[in-house]
Amino acid sequence: GESVGLHLPTLSVQEGDNSIINCAYSNSASDYFIWYKQESGKGPQFIIDIRSNMDKRQGQRVTVLLNKTVKHLSLQIAATQPGDSAVYFCAENYQGGSEKLVFGKGTKLTVNP
Amino acid sequence: NAGVMQNPRHLVRRRGQEARLRCSPMKGHSHVYWYRQLPEEGLKFMVYLQKENIIDESGMPKERFSAEFPKEGPSILRIQQVVRGDSAAYFCASSPPYRAYEQYFGPGTRLTVT
Repeated sequence: GESVGLHLPTLSVQEGDNSIINCAYSNSASDYFIWYKQESGKGPQFIIDIRSNMDKRQGQRVTVLLNKTVKHLSLQIAATQPGDSAVYFCAENYQGGSEKLVFGKGTKLTVNP
Repeated sequence: NAGVMQNPRHLVRRRGQEARLRCSPMKGHSHVYWYRQLPEEGLKFMVYLQKENIIDESGMPKERFSAEFPKEGPSILRIQQVVRGDSAAYFCASSPPYRAYEQYFGPGTRLTVT
C-alpha cells in the first residue's frame, strides 16, 4: 500500500483564517517530503519541500512542519485566500532507491468567502 | 521559461486502439517521470526515464504499456489495445539532475476509453 496518507479528506475554512493540512507517512528512510497543490483540471503544482534532517521550513505564506518521531507532516497556510482552494497532496522521496514520488490521496481545501 | 508540456490534453480512444501520450520536459531537465491519476485519488508512479534509458519501470503494467525518452524529441508513453480501465489522467514530470525531489508537473493528458 501507499506509505503516505492523510488524516482528513476535506477541510473547509473561512477566508483570512489559517489552514493546517496534515499528512502521515510510514517510510522513515524518506529523504524529502513535498507538498503539491492541484487545482481542478490541472497538474500538481510544487509548493514547498523539506529535507528529512529539518523540522520546519517556511515559504511565502506557507510553513511545513516535519515531526519524525510520529512520522507526521503538516502544511500551514497563513491568511487563506479563495485562490488557495484546491486539493493538496503530500509526497515523499527516498533518494536511496527509486527517485519516484509516493503520493497520499489528498485533502480538498475549500475557502469560504 | 516554458514548463513541462504534454499533448494532447484530451484523448479519446475506443477499446483496442492505441494511445500515445507525449511529454516535453522543462529546459535543462534530463529526468522524466510518468504518473497516473484516477478520479479522487493521488498520483501513482509508473516509470522514470533519462535520455535513452529506462531507470525504473516498477509502476508500469507488464503488458500493453511502454515508455521511451529518445535522444531527440519528447518522451512517449504508449498504451496498446486500450481498455476502459486505462481511462485516467496521465501526468508527466521532470526534474533537474540529482534533484528528483524537485519534480515539476505538466498539465496532464486525460485519456477516455469508450
